[in-house]
Amino acid sequence: KQEVTQIPAALSVPEGENLVLNCSFTDSAIYNLQWFRQDPGKGLTSLLLIQSSQREQTSGRLNASLDKSSGRSTLYIAASQPGDSATYLCAIDNYGQNFVFGPGTRLSVLP
Amino acid sequence: EAQVTQNPRYLITVTGKKLTVTCSQNMNHEYMSWYRQDPGLGLRQIYYSMNVEVTDKGDVPEGYKVSRKEKRNFPLILESPSPNQTSLYFCASGTRGLGDTEAFFGQGTRLTVV
Repeated sequence: KQEVTQIPAALSVPEGENLVLNCSFTDSAIYNLQWFRQDPGKGLTSLLLIQSSQREQTSGRLNASLDKSSGRSTLYIAASQPGDSATYLCAIDNYGQNFVFGPGTRLSVLP
Repeated sequence: EAQVTQNPRYLITVTGKKLTVTCSQNMNHEYMSWYRQDPGLGLRQIYYSMNVEVTDKGDVPEGYKVSRKEKRNFPLILESPSPNQTSLYFCASGTRGLGDTEAFFGQGTRLTVV
């Protein structure tokens, strides 16, 4: 059974810092991986989707990498802003039937 | 605008009183799914549907029912709610799965069972 973990559980940084969020998974036979953002009391917003054949994806200040062999993905946020404060979740797609989420990293960016 | 719409957003009910949470998507997605989110347990899948009239259990299906009679709608039914079903519920949709392309989530339904 696929298990997904995320480190750190919480992170507080001053505005402007570059930061890295980590996601680990136990079964490397994944279809793809997706990073989401969740604001308090709100739904999830997809940030980046990495297909299993890809190594990384970029969108603006966000860059996500995928290393299937080691069971790891990282989300890099450049020049963090207070508006980036949210919980970040990674999710593994096990071939379309089940989408397994990590527990999330709660990020606070201080002005 | 592409969206997944859940109703109601907030619901307080009593133990044993049947309720339905509706979910509708306007993207012609084949795949829809329900999740519940609890502190310390994260998001867990309840049921999913690969297409009309095709549904299957997720990780925590006990106490829930679903139906998929139309492509756009995927209601979640609690026949006899209990306090342990107090949670934040999310509906999601995607093309062939939630990871095939960008997944879309509803805004959530916060359910309290007393």
